[in-house]
Amino acid sequence: EAGVAQSPRYKIIEKRQSVAFWCNPISGHATLYWYQQILGQGPKLLIQFQNNGVVDDSQLPKDRFSAERLKGVDSTLKIQPAKLEDSAVYLCASSSTGLGNQPQHFGDGTRLSIL
Amino acid sequence: KNQVEQSPQSLIILEGKNCTLQCNYTVSPFSNLRWYKQDTGRGPVSLTIMTFSENTKSNGRYTATLDADTKQSSLHITASQLSDSASYICVVNDNTNAGKSTFGDGTTLTVKP
Repeated sequence: EAGVAQSPRYKIIEKRQSVAFWCNPISGHATLYWYQQILGQGPKLLIQFQNNGVVDDSQLPKDRFSAERLKGVDSTLKIQPAKLEDSAVYLCASSSTGLGNQPQHFGDGTRLSIL
Repeated sequence: KNQVEQSPQSLIILEGKNCTLQCNYTVSPFSNLRWYKQDTGRGPVSLTIMTFSENTKSNGRYTATLDADTKQSSLHITASQLSDSASYICVVNDNTNAGKSTFGDGTTLTVKP
C-alpha cells in the first residue's frame, strides 16, 4: 500500500510570511494527525482529525496555525504569520481507527526553516 | 500529567555490539507502549507494540520488554548494524476513549564501523 504522502519536503520562508503543508494519508485511514517535531525532541501533536472532524486541537496555536481536512481525506496545515520558533519538521500521520492499539503511519515530513 | 522519559539521550556503539535503550512512563490508565524507529530525514516507523499482559516481544534483532508494575520498558538491539543508526522513540497510549499518545524525546543511536 502507498504510504503517507507529504509536500513540500523542504520550505524556507522569512518570518511573518505564510506557509502551507499538504498531506495525503493512507487510503481508508479515518484518523489523521499533524505533529511538530523540533530537532532533538519527540513529535508534539498539533491536531487530530477523525474523518473530517477535529478530535484534539488543544496544542494548536490557533492565533497563527490552522488546519483542515476536507472530505475526510487530504489535509492542509497553514501557518500565518510564521515566527522563528516555528522552525521544525511537520509530520503528518494516519491510522485506521485512531485507537491506541493501531500504529500511526508517518510521512517523511516537511522541514520548515524560518529566516 | 502523562510523561515519557527516555535514556540515554544519545548512544554511540561499535558495529556488532549490543545495546539497551530505556523508557520510563507515568501514563495512566495504561493501554499499550510502542517503540518507533526514526531514520534521519524520515518519519517514525513502528517496531513493536507491548500490551499490559506482555513482558517480552521480539522483532528480529530488536527485543522489547515491559514491566507494567514499575512502568518501565526497554528496547534491546542485538548484533548492531550500521543501519540501526537512528532515533528510537517510545510512545505510550492511554486507555481512555480518546486513546491519547504520549511521545518520549527519543534516544539517538549511532553505530560506528
